[in-house]
Amino acid sequence: SAVISQKPSRDICQRGTSLTIQCQVDSQVTMMFWYRQQPGQSLTLIATANQGSEATYESGFVIDKFPISRPNLTFSTLTVSNMSPEDSSIYLCSVQGLAGSQYFGPGTRLTVT
Amino acid sequence: AQKITQTQPGMFVQEKEAVTLDCTYDTSDPSYGLFWYKQPSSGEMIFLIYQGSYDQQNATEGRYSLNFQKARKSANLVISASQLGDSAMYFCAMTRHNQAGTALIFGKGTTLSVSS
Repeated sequence: SAVISQKPSRDICQRGTSLTIQCQVDSQVTMMFWYRQQPGQSLTLIATANQGSEATYESGFVIDKFPISRPNLTFSTLTVSNMSPEDSSIYLCSVQGLAGSQYFGPGTRLTVT
Repeated sequence: AQKITQTQPGMFVQEKEAVTLDCTYDTSDPSYGLFWYKQPSSGEMIFLIYQGSYDQQNATEGRYSLNFQKARKSANLVISASQLGDSAMYFCAMTRHNQAGTALIFGKGTTLSVSS
């Protein structure tokens, strides 16, 4: 299984600001995924990020709000832009394993005040 | 549309007892995978067990087993000999294929509390 790290592990941000979350994988992977978990809720897919192409966003998520970069096969960033308290969530990146399984990073716990 | 349903918001079990967490799913994909993840209070997602839609036998991983009933579209997780460390949120998930790739859709989760 892949080892995934995320930075920062947690942050408290003021509304109107932006935060960039980094995801690093210890092996090359084609697809990386970004999920959001709002307090007390399940995980919701934000977007799929393939190296060398634009990220594919799920319904309800837009590039202007959640721009994603995927500069190489081991790294990706997710930016949460112009934050509001509703963006307070855990943000998780994941990579695909065998048979469609996914391995998750430790998550970034974001609080927006 | 694909959907995962977990109808038990919370479950309570005593140490050393077995517990079953329910999961039903809906999909039109002929091939799919079903997963269970554990999320302790730290927030990390821990992969527990996988079942492929064409697998004939139920998956097992140590104290975890997946009771797969394809006709009923259910994929219940059975934890045998519960331990205090099993207290966590448990999510059932299913693969979703589209042009972007194979992602997962998740149920709402079940909170398991194990008491001594």
